[in-house]
Amino acid sequence: NAGVMQNPRHLVRRRGQEARLRCSPMKGHSHVYWYRQLPEEGLKFMVYLQKENIIDESGMPKERFSAEFPKEGPSILRIQQVVRGDSAAYFCASSPRTSGGKETQYFGPGTRLLVL
Amino acid sequence: GENVEQHPSTLSVQEGDSAVIKCTYSDSASNYFPWYKQELGKGPQLIIDIRSNVGEKKDQRIAVTLNKTAKHFSLHITETQPEDSAVYFCAAGDSNYKLTFGKGTLLTVNP
Repeated sequence: NAGVMQNPRHLVRRRGQEARLRCSPMKGHSHVYWYRQLPEEGLKFMVYLQKENIIDESGMPKERFSAEFPKEGPSILRIQQVVRGDSAAYFCASSPRTSGGKETQYFGPGTRLLVL
Repeated sequence: GENVEQHPSTLSVQEGDSAVIKCTYSDSASNYFPWYKQELGKGPQLIIDIRSNVGEKKDQRIAVTLNKTAKHFSLHITETQPEDSAVYFCAAGDSNYKLTFGKGTLLTVNP
């Protein structure tokens, strides 16, 4: 069973460019979460999506950041006009469809974004 | 919102010794407490989790205890091995989905 896949693993952008991070959940999982990890910090929740629906984006910065999880294809985290402060590791996690209550979240290897 | 405090930030033990990492949380609605291990350059890997209806859970050399009254939970690793060296994160979640993470503990197991 393939785990959560993320690509690219490393991404370098110059200030003002756009960054697109992709996440393919584990097979059978329909819930996707994005987290950001700054150096020597814990992971911070950004957004929770199900297919074609954003359930909770309370952790997303109000501007420049957006996320989607289309019916077909991977989930995309998009950062427009990147700034140096966006440099971080971005992790995607997935969990299976739930019948109620929390299900375990499984994390991908992350995308390390460096903004020059 | 939820706030999770994790201690210590670094922990160094000799191979074969035990390691204990402690976390406290603030939101009494939290009822799910996973622990993740993160190796350098990799994503967090779930190693054990506990739900609020139990006080202790064990899986081979790893155990987690939960004290809901005091709002704290701990990770215990016995008979540590060099390959246990990593950053360990605790997290707390409610009945929905949002996990709040501690800042991590860098565990070093010296051969």
